[in-house]
Amino acid sequence: ETGVTQTPRHLVMGMTNKKSLKCEQHLGHNAMYWYKQSAKKPLELMFVYSLEERVENNSVPSRFSPECPNSSHLFLHLHTLQPEDSALYLCASSQGRGNTIYFGEGSWLTVV
Amino acid sequence: ELKVEQNPLFLSMQEGKNYTIYCNYSTTSDRLYWYRQDPGKSLESLFVLLSNGAVKQEGRLMASLDTKARLSTLHITAAVHDLSATYFCAVDREYGNKLVFGAGTILRVKS
Repeated sequence: ETGVTQTPRHLVMGMTNKKSLKCEQHLGHNAMYWYKQSAKKPLELMFVYSLEERVENNSVPSRFSPECPNSSHLFLHLHTLQPEDSALYLCASSQGRGNTIYFGEGSWLTVV
Repeated sequence: ELKVEQNPLFLSMQEGKNYTIYCNYSTTSDRLYWYRQDPGKSLESLFVLLSNGAVKQEGRLMASLDTKARLSTLHITAAVHDLSATYFCAVDREYGNKLVFGAGTILRVKS
């Protein structure tokens, strides 16, 4: 059982919908991440939050909007996505640098 | 820009055989991670390598890091079917665990 839980596990949404992905970590970590995994590209880092402050925004389109209300929770708000945004979105957390980064099981997103 | 290359991208091997997966990266870094991913599952941490010359072993897997050559290897000894998965290396781009992943190596172990 992972210490990082993501919901929903599967999501199908239309291009005009607004939805959110949720991530919760139970490990007491101080950093959380969103990664995107698609068939065509290696795992891509999207956002990094450290101590609830966004420290990385990796040229991600504004239709993806992250939110980190506290050190245990991370959201990814989705708005007017494109079919090419269909992918597995992985949340992760860690404590400090050089330590293991733990991944959640991911949210499979399909945009129709 | 940091680039991480793995090879091979696909590896089919017989049970009992040995093989090595290579991970090269383009800029200086002293932190490298290996992960395993089963189909439809998340990434499972295998090793964290934090210094030049670091070597870690777990079961039939052994990972090493040569920061001067910008190379890490994942060696598989006497492969078994349960090792079939996709293996990723990832390099820490800068302070803050900003990992850049390789494309992954799909490993299939045949009986």
